Amino acid sequence: DTGVSQDPRHKITKRGQNVTFRCDPISEHNRLYWYRQTLGQGPEFLTYFQNEAQLEKSRLLSDRFSAERPKGSFSTLEIQRTEQGDSAMYLCATQTSGLFTDTQYFGPGTRLTVL
Amino acid sequence: AQSVAQPEDQVNVAEGNPLTVKCTYSVSGNPYLFWYVQYPNRGLQFLLKYITGDNLVKGSYGFEAEFNKSQTSFHLKKPSALVSDSALYFCAVRDTGTASKLTFGTGTRLQVTL
Repeated sequence: DTGVSQDPRHKITKRGQNVTFRCDPISEHNRLYWYRQTLGQGPEFLTYFQNEAQLEKSRLLSDRFSAERPKGSFSTLEIQRTEQGDSAMYLCATQTSGLFTDTQYFGPGTRLTVL
Repeated sequence: AQSVAQPEDQVNVAEGNPLTVKCTYSVSGNPYLFWYVQYPNRGLQFLLKYITGDNLVKGSYGFEAEFNKSQTSFHLKKPSALVSDSALYFCAVRDTGTASKLTFGTGTRLQVTL
């Protein structure tokens, strides 16, 4: 257990529905990342927060996706009007910032299945 | 753009034998390299990293990795494999931008048999 938690662990939804995932970071970690992992692939970067500010978004993050990190603590990732292509494992990772603190610690992930 | 390549989809090794999981990288500037392991339906667990210093990096669970700048490689090794080492292994390189996001390889499945 890395100390990063994600909820829910599994989500099954029908195409067109909205879903929201939550990530709770290690308490002193001010950097938070979302990645998406599809079957047979490595994780791909989606977005990055430094405290409450969303500083970078991947081109993979279409306008149906939105992420927030109010108060710089937990983060949510929402997918609107889900499509079957959104089926994947969504991983959250957190990291503290500073010298020689380069390690991202991952949560257990939320596996999304869109029917 | 940074990238990593893991040329083997699967590596098979007998328990007790040494194992090597290969990774090559392409970066501009100094590489920051990582190995993670993923067990079924789980997130990624950090094994080890190379930032600077000794080319041989020691990590968790008896794993180590050798950084080779001339060959742009960062191979993961273990002197004696265990059945419990069977999992999916990912090599990653850190982006040099502000986000310091990770770019992962496609993963190598390690299968250790008795």
